[in-house]
Amino acid sequence: DAKTTQPNSMESNEEEPVHLPCNHSTISGTDYIHWYRQLPSQGPEYVIHGLTSNVNNRMASLAIAEDRKSSTLILHRATLRDAAVYYCISMNAGNMLTFGGGTRLMVKP
Amino acid sequence: EPEVTQTPSHQVTQMGQEVILRCVPISNHLYFYWYRQILGQKVEFLVSFYNNEISEKSEIFDDQFSVERPDGSNFTLKIRSTKLEDSAMYFCASSPRRGENSPLHFGNGTRLTVT
Repeated sequence: DAKTTQPNSMESNEEEPVHLPCNHSTISGTDYIHWYRQLPSQGPEYVIHGLTSNVNNRMASLAIAEDRKSSTLILHRATLRDAAVYYCISMNAGNMLTFGGGTRLMVKP
Repeated sequence: EPEVTQTPSHQVTQMGQEVILRCVPISNHLYFYWYRQILGQKVEFLVSFYNNEISEKSEIFDDQFSVERPDGSNFTLKIRSTKLEDSAMYFCASSPRRGENSPLHFGNGTRLTVT
């Protein structure tokens, strides 16, 4: 899997949008970009994934740069329950997720 | 929404004892995984399993570890002779198919404490 780089931590205010960046400059053409999050004392939770086009689901949106070297996870309206560690992972056909350190998102009321 | 369930939520064992961690993957999923997370560290891949065989395993998954799908619903991780450094959260995951376009669904883990 290609290496991804994320900020160690970010802060957001409740009910405001949050943009979590990820760099994956060595990503190959067939690697998908996956985002997972881990709430305190829980297992990783799938958030969203995509290949080239921007993606939306009920949890978040994923904006992928045209050159695919970076992406941004967008939480449209952060809640206190969104406080978690967010992992950006480049996934290849092996189906083996390689977790990095992720971004710890803190949400202030 | 279907989910991956793991039991027990917390297991305490003495060094040298055998432990079995149990998981019930989502029913129509075909691929199964174990990951672990030592306190304060990253989530690490241990093993993937498909069609009653190990597909991939990491360097961590040595001879003291084994996995089994004893019936149509359970997926187990056995640690034969536990060591202090095996203390960690162990997460089971499943996915419906293989490939980079298939998300993994994780359980909430078993906390293993080896004393």
